Amino acid sequence: GAGVSQSPRYKVAKRGQDVALRCDPISGHVSLFWYQQALGQGPEFLTYFQNEAQLDKSGLPSDRFFAERPEGSVSTLKIQRTQQEDSAVYLCASSSVQGARLPQHFGDGTRLSIL
Amino acid sequence: GDSVTQMEGPVTLSEEAFLTINCTYTATGYPSLFWYVQYPGEGLQLLLKATKADDKGSNKGFEATYRKETTSFHLEKGSVQVSDSAVYFCALSVNTDKLIFGTGTRLQVFP
Repeated sequence: GAGVSQSPRYKVAKRGQDVALRCDPISGHVSLFWYQQALGQGPEFLTYFQNEAQLDKSGLPSDRFFAERPEGSVSTLKIQRTQQEDSAVYLCASSSVQGARLPQHFGDGTRLSIL
Repeated sequence: GDSVTQMEGPVTLSEEAFLTINCTYTATGYPSLFWYVQYPGEGLQLLLKATKADDKGSNKGFEATYRKETTSFHLEKGSVQVSDSAVYFCALSVNTDKLIFGTGTRLQVFP
């Protein structure tokens, strides 16, 4: 497809389980971003990749959160030992080149619910 | 730190009414400014952007002007339609690529 693809669309997990969320960016897009959107709030930045390099992970809320993009394309966001406060929509976005003035293209998100 | 403040919703309007959604920002550098829209059941879409002072971004009848003197980027539309019902997010980006979003404003347009 032409857009950013995220899977799964919905994920339910029990507290303490590990989860993995996948993002397929637009083909050829260099930059990839992860955001967390709590209910009724705006998205909040988690981490940023340029190709396979993770250049900014300042938004990751704890060491339970880990992201990777080993071949500079698909990215996975992993959350270990999930907590209820991790329940949110996780958004992935990509852009064609590095540059603050270029728009980011967002996927539809993964809605994570921790029971 | 850098932040975005936008008016709380919901904003409820009748079709063909004039729309304003206020957005102000705080930034340590010279930001680019954006409006994103999230239609029901869909992902975030870029609506318009402006990269320097006095620039006007426009798309689908929506407009916003980058006002450096008032640190504002208010969204306007002269005549809203039912199909404009969505959540609107103001956002900025400074030097780095990450976006900083406001909390969103829900717009409800009734026929």
